[in-house]
Amino acid sequence: KNQVEQSPQSLIILEGKNCTLQCNYTVSPFSNLRWYKQDTGRGPVSLTIMTFSENTKSNGRYTATLDADTKQSSLHITASQLSDSASYICVVSPAYGGATNKLIFGTGTLLAVQP
Amino acid sequence: GAGVSQSPSNKVTEKGKDVELRCDPISGHTALYWYRQSLGQGLEFLIYFQGNSAPDKSGLPSDRFSAERTGGSVSTLTIQRTQQEDSAVYLCASRIGTASTDTQYFGPGTRLTVL
Repeated sequence: KNQVEQSPQSLIILEGKNCTLQCNYTVSPFSNLRWYKQDTGRGPVSLTIMTFSENTKSNGRYTATLDADTKQSSLHITASQLSDSASYICVVSPAYGGATNKLIFGTGTLLAVQP
Repeated sequence: GAGVSQSPSNKVTEKGKDVELRCDPISGHTALYWYRQSLGQGLEFLIYFQGNSAPDKSGLPSDRFSAERTGGSVSTLTIQRTQQEDSAVYLCASRIGTASTDTQYFGPGTRLTVL
């Protein structure tokens, strides 16, 4: 069982609509949780980072939330644009990561925004 | 300044051949990671370099995989006697320090296809 699970696996929405992507994790204790955006053929790019004590973090039209009690995070995208089409990856940094700071990656949600 | 670069962007090879993948991290970044991204899978940690410390090789899947980082900058990932299951996108990331909140910046990846 993956330590970071995301849903849905894929999602299609119309341009201008909002959407919410989910991330459930079992990593504990953890240091921080990030959401990355990965465009096709590109490497992932960090969108937001939240430590275990934070509940929400925004970056433009992207808002991430974190509930450390239920071990859930969500990424809300407002007024979607065609350029939002990408894979969105939830990434957890375990507190026991040591010097390597190994990250644990979800498998991502593939979002397609259609005109 | 320039981001993380990787070369080649695509590599097609025959089973049993050796391949070398190159990563140029962001200048001044002391930490460098290699990951493997297979279809439908989350990023898989391979190896980590930090300054002059011994690398963390715990993610390398077999002794056919090795990596070097020369002069604390450029890194090369070598796969010997490639197998079809080695086909994947190989991503390199660098970051400025060792704090868990330091962002990893990813290169565009090398797509390896083993025929």
